[in-house]
Amino acid sequence: DSGVTQTPKHLITATGQRVTLRCSPRSGDLSVYWYQQSLDQGLQFLIQYYNGEERAKGNILERFSAQQFPDLHSELNLSSLELGDSALYFCASSPGQALYEQYFGPGTRLTVT
Amino acid sequence: GENVEQHPSTLSVQEGDSAVIKCTYSDSASNYFPWYKQELGKGPQLIIDIRSNVGEKKDQRIAVTLNKTAKHFSLHITETQPEDSAVYFCAASINNSGGSNYKLTFGKGTLLTVNP
Repeated sequence: DSGVTQTPKHLITATGQRVTLRCSPRSGDLSVYWYQQSLDQGLQFLIQYYNGEERAKGNILERFSAQQFPDLHSELNLSSLELGDSALYFCASSPGQALYEQYFGPGTRLTVT
Repeated sequence: GENVEQHPSTLSVQEGDSAVIKCTYSDSASNYFPWYKQELGKGPQLIIDIRSNVGEKKDQRIAVTLNKTAKHFSLHITETQPEDSAVYFCAASINNSGGSNYKLTFGKGTLLTVNP
């Protein structure tokens, strides 16, 4: 158990809908990362937050957004969902700054039908 | 941006044998190289990592080597056991204590099967 929690574990929704994925980092970790894992693209970095501020963006679609709250939990919002958005979404956390080992949560499996 | 190539994509070994997985990276500025193990239905688990100021690191049956000149790094698992069967990912990152760009670029993964 990495100490990173993600909810929900599974999510099934229809095209065009909007969903919110939630992540709670390890106690004391200030940095949260979101990754998408699919069979064709592998593990891809989406976005990073550090202590409430966006720090880095990867291949994140404009339909996707994220935020980190004062209690350091983070949410990833996916809107106007398409079939191709079906994937595993992982959150990882790290202490941040000079301590940068990333610990992954169990993931949320999103299925868009 | 950074590109990480990982080989082989599948690897089958007999219990007790050694397994080696190799990765190359493109950005010479990368300085942090973790390895993750992912079991079915679970998130990636950090098993070992190496920073660019060292050439080798060992933790029990697992070791990682880094060749900065050639821009490649490898994972070595000795005395493999059936519970080592999983998908292994290498990754690379550019980290500095004052910066924030710690995102990981992953290889495509290696499915390791250890046969009893």
